[in-house]
Amino acid sequence: EVQLVESGGGLVHPGGSLRLSCQVSGFTLSSYAVNWVRQAPGKGLEWISYISGSGSTIYYADTVRGRFTISRDNAKNSLYLQMNSLRAEDTAVYYCARDQGGRYCVSTTCSEFYYYSYMDVWGKGTTVTVSS
Amino acid sequence: QSVLTQPPSASGTPGQRVTISCSGSSSDIGSNTVNWYQQLPGTAPKVLIYNNNQRPSGVPDRFSGSKSGTSASLAISGLQSEDEADYYCGTWDDSLNGWVFGGGTKLTVL
Repeated sequence: EVQLVESGGGLVHPGGSLRLSCQVSGFTLSSYAVNWVRQAPGKGLEWISYISGSGSTIYYADTVRGRFTISRDNAKNSLYLQMNSLRAEDTAVYYCARDQGGRYCVSTTCSEFYYYSYMDVWGKGTTVTVSS
Repeated sequence: QSVLTQPPSASGTPGQRVTISCSGSSSDIGSNTVNWYQQLPGTAPKVLIYNNNQRPSGVPDRFSGSKSGTSASLAISGLQSEDEADYYCGTWDDSLNGWVFGGGTKLTVL
């Protein structure tokens, strides 16, 4: 069974740091890009970071760039999110989610196609609370 | 403020058909495929529709998606009480280099 399990959440003071982990099972982590997505209490989904399967491509949302660092250890089947300089507005449930995608053929000969992707498997999330 | 625009709420009675809209721009929906996620109360999001109109295995065919230009929509026919959830549209944004979501639509089954 494909699973992602987040851990490392907790209560931290403003300005503090926390490291989240996402342990995966049921698939080869190196074959997939993975994202961190968070959800503040009563709010919607906010994507915060992406890392490619090899780790060579990384993206961040403006709200966390310079404070958060995403990384992965494929040998340990794990994804990480190092969060520094935490603020009250970082309080949220943090989910890791696997990227899935492929090539969609528009024509029967596939001479015309496009790429698609989506987040196909999500963990249950870990809660981060930033408060004094 | 979310990049993609969704109505905050929608409602219907059992058996009805409801639609949820999602509006974006040329750099997001206009350039990439749209996905829809369902989040039941107290649970993680789950993909409902991917690649504009494809359903993962296990998702009932009561759920359908479409996209035109810089807008997309999710339709739910034969509404059931268990469809009561939050629904989010999402896509990749080429100018932001990241995933963007709508603000979410809370569906109430009356």
